[in-house]
Amino acid sequence: DAMVIQNPRYQVTQFGKPVTLSCSQTLNHNVMYWYQQKSSQAPKLLFHYYDKDFNNEADTPDNFQSRRPNTSFCFLDIRSPGLGDAAMYLCATSRDVGGGYTFGSGTRLTVV
Amino acid sequence: DQQVKQNSPSLSVQEGRISILNCDYTNSMFDYFLWYKKYPAEGPTFLISISSIKDKNEDGRFTVFLNKSAKHLSLHIVPSQPGDSAVYFCAASAAGANSKLTFGKGITLSVRP
Repeated sequence: DAMVIQNPRYQVTQFGKPVTLSCSQTLNHNVMYWYQQKSSQAPKLLFHYYDKDFNNEADTPDNFQSRRPNTSFCFLDIRSPGLGDAAMYLCATSRDVGGGYTFGSGTRLTVV
Repeated sequence: DQQVKQNSPSLSVQEGRISILNCDYTNSMFDYFLWYKKYPAEGPTFLISISSIKDKNEDGRFTVFLNKSAKHLSLHIVPSQPGDSAVYFCAASAAGANSKLTFGKGITLSVRP
């Protein structure tokens, strides 16, 4: 089945230690998104790639970076995780920007 | 500033009854609206959508109503089933479907057997 896969499902990292979250897709969609969702809050868009074009949201901290080496993979790098970065990180894809998102199952990040 | 608001954090409904989940938005440029459903430990999945040229869209037990003048939409589930118990997110975008989605906080629906 075509899908969006996020690894790992659960990630524990130390305060200040760089961490990378992974997302892959078999849908051949043009767009890949990273959302951050904290408890009882709306998913918040961090950035998205349209093909190789990177689009950062204005309020995304510099601590968050992303890489998309090819159509199938997209990575979220947190350079120096703080306690406030503990959240669920959702990867999504769409054929074009906008409706019809397909989400992965998410990675729950804990910072200790 | 929250542009998509789901003000009720939770809703509990008896099986077989109607569930009504509400969503309000503030951005008058939004013209495409979606509902996503999320089970624990899974990502959100698309449920139903509506564009601003319509005021109603129906798909089986799910109907979405849009009131543009009130900037309000609602999702009706009838009859509600225990398997409908999940978190429901309202989302909106501007300029048709070709724009980024803005999500609400979600509503936790519990359907009691």
